Amino acid sequence: KAGVTQTPRYLIKTRGQQVTLSCSPISGHRSVSWYQQTPGQGLQFLFEYFSETQRNKGNFPGRFSGRQFSNSRSEMNVSTLELGDSALYLCASTQGFSTDTQYFGPGTRLTVL
Amino acid sequence: DQQVKQNSPSLSVQEGRISILNCDYTNSMFDYFLWYKKYPAEGPTFLISISSIKDKNEDGRFTVFLNKSAKHLSLHIVPSQPGDSAVYFCAASAFDSGGSNYKLTFGKGTLLTVNP
Repeated sequence: KAGVTQTPRYLIKTRGQQVTLSCSPISGHRSVSWYQQTPGQGLQFLFEYFSETQRNKGNFPGRFSGRQFSNSRSEMNVSTLELGDSALYLCASTQGFSTDTQYFGPGTRLTVL
Repeated sequence: DQQVKQNSPSLSVQEGRISILNCDYTNSMFDYFLWYKKYPAEGPTFLISISSIKDKNEDGRFTVFLNKSAKHLSLHIVPSQPGDSAVYFCAASAFDSGGSNYKLTFGKGTLLTVNP
């Protein structure tokens, strides 16, 4: 079974731009969660989508948004990029139950200049 | 408010010895705990988990201990191997206040270095 894939793997943007990241979950998984990883903050939860609906949301500003398509693929969008948005963005997929193991993709490394 | 804390940013041990990684939590509603391992340039991978109804779970060289009264869990790796060198994240799961959605909260991670 193919793992979680994320595209692109690396991105360089400038302040004020917007960016869209993509995540394809493991086949059959209906839940996709997004995380931001920075050296000082570890893994911080952004939001979770389940069956095309946002089911959970972390404490991030509205510049961070996402969506999920009928095939469970998910996109995350960050508008009006700030320098502090530079991070590794990880997505994880599960079947959708609370005790499921989350399977992570390799991440997208976003650098904002 | 950091609900899951890994107070040691790094740990260094000798090959063959025991590695003990610690994690403290504050939310008594957490009912499921997991450890993930992360190598550079890769996403975290699941290592081992424990339900709050247990106090120990073992899988090969990896054992997780849960002390609910102290709100503390630990991961023991015995014997440690150089390939275990990675960042280890502790995570805890709980349903939200509405009781309908669960959320996974991660610690900041501990970098384990196993020296040959």
